[in-house]
Amino acid sequence: GAVVSQHPSRVICKSGTSVKIECRSLDFQATTMFWYRQFPKQSLMLMATSNEGSKATYEQGVEKDKFLINHASLTLSTLTVTSAHPEDSSFYICSAPWGSSGNTIYFGEGSWLTVV
Amino acid sequence: GENVEQHPSTLSVQEGDSAVIKCTYSDSASNYFPWYKQELGKGPQLIIDIRSNVGEKKDQRIAVTLNKTAKHFSLHITETQPEDSAVYFCAAVYTGGGNKLTFGTGTQLKVEL
Repeated sequence: GAVVSQHPSRVICKSGTSVKIECRSLDFQATTMFWYRQFPKQSLMLMATSNEGSKATYEQGVEKDKFLINHASLTLSTLTVTSAHPEDSSFYICSAPWGSSGNTIYFGEGSWLTVV
Repeated sequence: GENVEQHPSTLSVQEGDSAVIKCTYSDSASNYFPWYKQELGKGPQLIIDIRSNVGEKKDQRIAVTLNKTAKHFSLHITETQPEDSAVYFCAAVYTGGGNKLTFGTGTQLKVEL
């Protein structure tokens, strides 16, 4: 199947700093990617839809100025957590639709963010 | 919007037994229903999916059934093995509306020796 890759898998940053997480579609192009956040023992919460060449679409309650999304190419979307605080510590996961109809959805490995 | 309910939240079976996880959805427009397996600390892995024009799909020990009338779909795992232990999520989406998955709340499956 298709592969979606995330980097880094784990990152620790200090409060007040920014951290960038990359999501790449390998061997296929993705005009749309999705960013999720997951707390321990909970389901995935959609944060935003990343659109290649245009602005991301954020879900209600997600701060767009805090979670900056850039989808500059057909294989790369980035999520930047700005001015990170300990409450931003979480598991962040991206996904991308694949296939001729573009609706078989694969997820990346996830990125653990710890803000200290 | 779509709402997906998933049961049970935890499921413990003996190795070799079958496991069944059930989901219901609310939006009759939904036409794609994937199932994901998530191991601790990892991203969700697509294990099987079904589209609304099919009632059943099987892949080795895993099968999924869909009842569109009842808005109900289920995951069946036969001959369970310890490595099947994980959290399983169902999801539903209307693929003509942007591919935004709505997830169930997850089922923690534990396969005991």
